[in-house]
Amino acid sequence: NAGVMQNPRHLVRRRGQEARLRCSPMKGHSHVYWYRQLPEEGLKFMVYLQKENIIDESGMPKERFSAEFPKEGPSILRIQQVVRGDSAAYFCASSPQSDRGSNYGYTFGSGTRLTVV
Amino acid sequence: DAKTTQPNSMESNEEEPVHLPCNHSTISGTDYIHWYRQLPSQGPEYVIHGLTSNVNNRMASLAIAEDRKSSTLILHRATLRDAAVYYCILRDSNYQLIWGAGTKLIIKP
Repeated sequence: NAGVMQNPRHLVRRRGQEARLRCSPMKGHSHVYWYRQLPEEGLKFMVYLQKENIIDESGMPKERFSAEFPKEGPSILRIQQVVRGDSAAYFCASSPQSDRGSNYGYTFGSGTRLTVV
Repeated sequence: DAKTTQPNSMESNEEEPVHLPCNHSTISGTDYIHWYRQLPSQGPEYVIHGLTSNVNNRMASLAIAEDRKSSTLILHRATLRDAAVYYCILRDSNYQLIWGAGTKLIIKP
């Protein structure tokens, strides 16, 4: 039973390019959460998606960032026109269709480390 | 902002018990106490969680103070593989996890 799969593990982009980060949830999970982590800091919530729906994007920057979770395929976090400040580790987590609320631990992927040069 | 307070770092000797403290003086009655850890260059890993009673699992034990304003994660016999940043997180029914800076645990051989 594969865990949460993220790819690529490392991504290097030049300023102004686009970055596409992929997250495949655990089998049977239909909720996906994206977090960003800057060096030496804890994770910061970005967005919560269910299949074909954005539930909460309150942590997403207003411009250049978008996320989707299509009916088929992985969830995608897309960053357009990347800047140096976007360099960070991006993690996703997933949970089952019937989220058990706070009495439940999330499974995280290994992350994508984005470096903007 | 994180609702928990943890020491920045702690050191322990290999094969000795480790007690990682966490203060959460503003905890509400419905908040669960969750612990995650993050090994270098890895994603966070769920460790344990509890509400009021002490909890044990294969990874660790969680001791919760009677007033719930603090808790302690206990690693019974630390190994070098336990070197990580440990995060204590309060979670209510909200799906968002609010992370502090955690405690960096250093294990000395």
